[in-house]
Amino acid sequence: DTGVSQNPRHKITKRGQNVTFRCDPISEHNRLYWYRQTLGQGPEFLTYFQNEAQLEKSRLLSDRFSAERPKGSFSTLEIQRTEQGDSAMYLCASSLQGSPYEQYFGPGTRLTVT
Amino acid sequence: GEDVEQSLFLSVREGDSSVINCTYTDSSSTYLYWYKQEPGAGLQLLTYIFSNMDMKQDQRLTVLLNKKDKHLSLRIADTQTGDSAIYFCAEGSDFGNEKLTFGTGTRLTIIP
Repeated sequence: DTGVSQNPRHKITKRGQNVTFRCDPISEHNRLYWYRQTLGQGPEFLTYFQNEAQLEKSRLLSDRFSAERPKGSFSTLEIQRTEQGDSAMYLCASSLQGSPYEQYFGPGTRLTVT
Repeated sequence: GEDVEQSLFLSVREGDSSVINCTYTDSSSTYLYWYKQEPGAGLQLLTYIFSNMDMKQDQRLTVLLNKKDKHLSLRIADTQTGDSAIYFCAEGSDFGNEKLTFGTGTRLTIIP
């Protein structure tokens, strides 16, 4: 396994459209995290899964955002009715359960909303 | 709430040591991490330190933790051009919430 992968790498969409991103974690990792990174800032936590269960959601995750991990493997993050403020890099990370929770990040999906 | 602060920029001559500093506020932080981000790439985990340690060394990297002052530093010995990147410190908690809280990152520039 070569690491966390994310698709697509880049997405340009018009305001109001829906978009979906995919993350494939490292195969033996049962924890999966989504973060958002805007220009000049560090990543901000959005949500995380342990296996298929979504255990926490940030208040940053508005009702337009939904994440799933149906079989405890890959995850999808959907944004409905995109807004220009959604433009950011969306990062996925995975880890094994248990300390020290070394989170390994994928390359990210850069979303541009026009 | 949690807050992590870093200076934004650092310039160092090639071959010198780089020291990147970070302060955090969450006293319940269990682990503190350093990540490296190169242009157009994701974050690479460099090293981490458990909160009951005060130092960790890993090849050219030395992490120092002053838990009393909530101050963390990353020293890179013999800095090379390939070390040019943005360095993020992050804190994590071991109390059922393993999200990471990141600083804004320090952009390290190497002067030839």
